[in-house]
Amino acid sequence: DAKTTQPPSMDCAEGRAANLPCNHSTISGNEYVYWYRQIHSQGPQYIIHGLKNNETNEMASLIITEDRKSSTLILPHATLRDTAVYYCIVRKWNNNDMRFGAGTRLTVKP
Amino acid sequence: GAVVSQHPSRVICKSGTSVKIECRSLDFQATTMFWYRQFPKQSLMLMATSNEGSKATYEQGVEKDKFLINHASLTLSTLTVTSAHPEDSSFYICSANPQGGVLNTEAFFGQGTRLTVV
Repeated sequence: DAKTTQPPSMDCAEGRAANLPCNHSTISGNEYVYWYRQIHSQGPQYIIHGLKNNETNEMASLIITEDRKSSTLILPHATLRDTAVYYCIVRKWNNNDMRFGAGTRLTVKP
Repeated sequence: GAVVSQHPSRVICKSGTSVKIECRSLDFQATTMFWYRQFPKQSLMLMATSNEGSKATYEQGVEKDKFLINHASLTLSTLTVTSAHPEDSSFYICSANPQGGVLNTEAFFGQGTRLTVV
C-alpha cells in the first residue's frame, strides 16, 4: 500500500471549514483513499473513502486531485467535537487491513 | 454502520498474569479480524491478522507466543496477552470487515481496551 504524508497538526475555528490535506504521490490505480478519525481513547471512526471521484457524505467531503497524488478531507462546519486525530490511509481494494500513519491532530477552537 | 465490540474496555492486571481481550462483530460475520496496539501519543500499529479457522498472521517483531490470537467463530476473535509485563501496557484495538455486500470496503473498529500492567 502506498504511503501517505499529513501535517502533524492543524487548528480550525469552530464553525469554519476544516481542510485536511494528504499526500499519496505513490498511489497506484487500484488503491483507495480512506479517512478515519480517532477521538481520544476511542477506536478509529470511519469518515469517507474514494477512488478517483470526489465523494461527499453526511460527515465530510473528499476531494481527490486528478492525478490522485493528493487529497483533501473537508469538514464543512467544524465543531469542538471534531477535535481528533485524522488519518489518511491508502489501501488496495482487496486488502482488508488498514495501516495507519502518524495522522493530523486537528484542534477545533471556540 | 456495522458494529464491532471489545471487552473489557479497561483492565488492570498484575505482572506475570495473562489477560484475554475479546472482539466481537455484532451484526456481521468476519473471516478476518485485525489487532492493533497503540502507545500514548503514537499511531495504531498493526500487530496481527486473525483468521477464522486457521492460525493468525503476525507482523514482524510481534511475538506470537506472547500475544495469542484465537478466531474460533465468524463473530469472535480473542487476544490473550500472556505473562504480561508493564511494557505491555497499551491501548489494544480490533477491527473487522463485513463479508461481501456494500459494506465490504471499510473496516470497523472496536472501542479499544486499555491494558495496564502493574
